[in-house]
Amino acid sequence: SQQGEEDPQALSIQEGENATMNCSYKTSINNLQWYRQNSGRGLVHLILIRSNEREKHSGRLRVTLDTSKKSSSLLITASRAADTASYFCATPIAQKLVFGQGTRLTINP
Amino acid sequence: NAGVTQTPKFQVLKTGQSMTLQCAQDMNHNSMYWYRQDPGMGLRLIYYSASEGTTDKGEVPNGYNVSRLNKREFSLRLESAAPSQTSVYFCASSESRWGSSYNEQFFGPGTRLTVL
Repeated sequence: SQQGEEDPQALSIQEGENATMNCSYKTSINNLQWYRQNSGRGLVHLILIRSNEREKHSGRLRVTLDTSKKSSSLLITASRAADTASYFCATPIAQKLVFGQGTRLTINP
Repeated sequence: NAGVTQTPKFQVLKTGQSMTLQCAQDMNHNSMYWYRQDPGMGLRLIYYSASEGTTDKGEVPNGYNVSRLNKREFSLRLESAAPSQTSVYFCASSESRWGSSYNEQFFGPGTRLTVL
């Protein structure tokens, strides 16, 4: 089974609204990463949060991590059409990353 | 810097044909990875190379072989392609310094492979 699982699988919102995606994982981690994939492209790293951090910001992105619940959330504020993409969480195991199945986000104009 | 490059971008094969997907990175990264991505699914690791001279199996290695040609290049070979190998293949690299927990991966643009 997947180490990381995103929820919801798909999300459709209006431009300007906030989008929240969640990720749950199974084993202990030392960091958790979020990636974005635009249609037909490779993944792009967005943000990394370490296990001793609870919240991290990068521009319009806010990531939280709750190690007691083994969960993380990605919040995109003031969404734009360009934010339409799939978003994946990933957790490192040894020198590998294990990816969830992703949340497909659609921003409607 | 080009980052991670992959060739070809698209390929159509017949069942039983062989081919090699090429990947190169110019970031002096130690580790390189091959993933496949199928519709509606996340990425599944096929093989990885933690450092030059080493390769290891990932989650779905059957039907594939890899070669870490040098620090820059990591190729993926399909010896006898099957329709189940129709997928989008991504190569990635990361610095992965020994003892470092920070292993952000950088991805190539992908190869879209169809096996008929």
